[in-house]
Amino acid sequence: GAVVSQHPSWVICKSGTSVKIECRSLDFQATTMFWYRQFPKQSLMLMATSNEGSKATYEQGVEKDKFLINHASLTLSTLTVTSAHPEDSSFYICSAIQGAGADTQYFGPGTRLTVL
Amino acid sequence: SQKIEQNSEALNIQEGKTATLTCNYTNYSPAYLQWYRQDPGRGPVFLLLIRENEKEKRKERLKVTFDTTLKQSLFHITASQPADSATYLCALGSGGYQKVTFGTGTKLQVIP
Repeated sequence: GAVVSQHPSWVICKSGTSVKIECRSLDFQATTMFWYRQFPKQSLMLMATSNEGSKATYEQGVEKDKFLINHASLTLSTLTVTSAHPEDSSFYICSAIQGAGADTQYFGPGTRLTVL
Repeated sequence: SQKIEQNSEALNIQEGKTATLTCNYTNYSPAYLQWYRQDPGRGPVFLLLIRENEKEKRKERLKVTFDTTLKQSLFHITASQPADSATYLCALGSGGYQKVTFGTGTKLQVIP
C-alpha cells in the first residue's frame, strides 16, 4: 500500500514553455502533499506544501507565480513550471502523507525535467 | 541557520561488514529523525523513524540511534549486501510529523 505515482517520469521542453507534473496517491487519500526539487549530487529541497482544497505554502525563495501548485482532490496534486528556463532543469519529486499527524512521507518516483 | 550534515559523501565497505552512517545537525531541535534510501533517478523510500525521546530503533538489519545531546544520529546496516548500495538520507522534523529537512546524503557502496 501507500503508493505515489508521478507523471511524466521525464520531460524535455523548450525554454519559455510551461510544463505540468502530476502527483497521485494511488491507494490512499493524501491530505497533504509536498513538492521537492533535487539538483545533481544535492539533497532534496522542499519547494512547497500543498493541502487539499487550499493554497499551497511555498518555502522562502520559491516563486509561487513560477511554480503553480494545485491540490484539487485528495489524490491529486499538480505542479506547473511556467515559462521554464534551463536553470529550472532538475529532478522534481512529490510526496504525500496519509492524514494529519501521519509520520511517514511516501515519495513518488520523480520527474526529470530538462529545459533546452 | 539550521544545518544537517551526513558524515561523508561516499562510503565503501566490504560485503558482510556493518555500514555506519552519521547524521549531525546544528541549530535544530528536532522532534523526530527519519532515514530514507534513494536509488539513482528514483524518489526516496522511507526506512525508519526515531523520536526525540527514543535512543534506538531496529528493523531487520537496520539500527538507528538518536543522541539529542550530541545532536547526532547513527544509521547501521549489519551484514551489508551489494543490494544495500544506494544513497541514504537523514531527515529531521519538528512536530506535526509533516515538513522535514533533508541532509545531503551518503552514497554507500557495498563491494562483493
